[in-house]
Amino acid sequence: AQSVSQHNHHVILSEAASLELGCNYSYGGTVNLFWYVQYPGQHLQLLLKYFSGDPLVKGIKGFEAEFIKSKFSFNLRKPSVQWSDTAEYFCAVNAQNNDMRFGAGTRLTVKP
Amino acid sequence: KAGVTQTPRYLIKTRGQQVTLSCSPISGHRSVSWYQQTPGQGLQFLFEYFSETQRNKGNFPGRFSGRQFSNSRSEMNVSTLELGDSALYLCASSKGQGNEKLFFGSGTQLSVL
Repeated sequence: AQSVSQHNHHVILSEAASLELGCNYSYGGTVNLFWYVQYPGQHLQLLLKYFSGDPLVKGIKGFEAEFIKSKFSFNLRKPSVQWSDTAEYFCAVNAQNNDMRFGAGTRLTVKP
Repeated sequence: KAGVTQTPRYLIKTRGQQVTLSCSPISGHRSVSWYQQTPGQGLQFLFEYFSETQRNKGNFPGRFSGRQFSNSRSEMNVSTLELGDSALYLCASSKGQGNEKLFFGSGTQLSVL
């Protein structure tokens, strides 16, 4: 089965700093890639997804992610974070069989 | 449209007991997936049901089981509870076509004493 690695456990940034969260997966076939976000006290919700086409995908709230097939990576980026981006971010991989696997998550704290 | 509903919201059990958690998916969704969320481990995949059949399974022991009913509602059962089973159990639903996002419930927080 596919697996997902998120290298950063906890990231602390000041407002307006740039963000990049790493995500690598292990699976040799075609995959669908997702980033989910869990704001404090809220449900997990989809941030963005990649199925095919342009490897640079844009999601909600100014987030984007780039799929680099040769590196098995799908890193999440945002040019300028806000205090309201404080949340836990999960990368997920679905190998087209509805078996969605998640990484361990990265907790982002943005200091005002 | 109602979201994914999980009951109960909180549970406290003691070691050796068993527990049943319930999940009602979004209307029209036929796939229900279960995850265990713990700090530092992220979301660990338990299993996925589609049209009353277990379609995918994670690497959990046989003490963890589930089922899905004809109305797509799903239950998860954990028998002979251990302290390490303390976690937030999340249910997610989708139409089940394989390349779509999941809709998550609020979860059931299980504490095993």
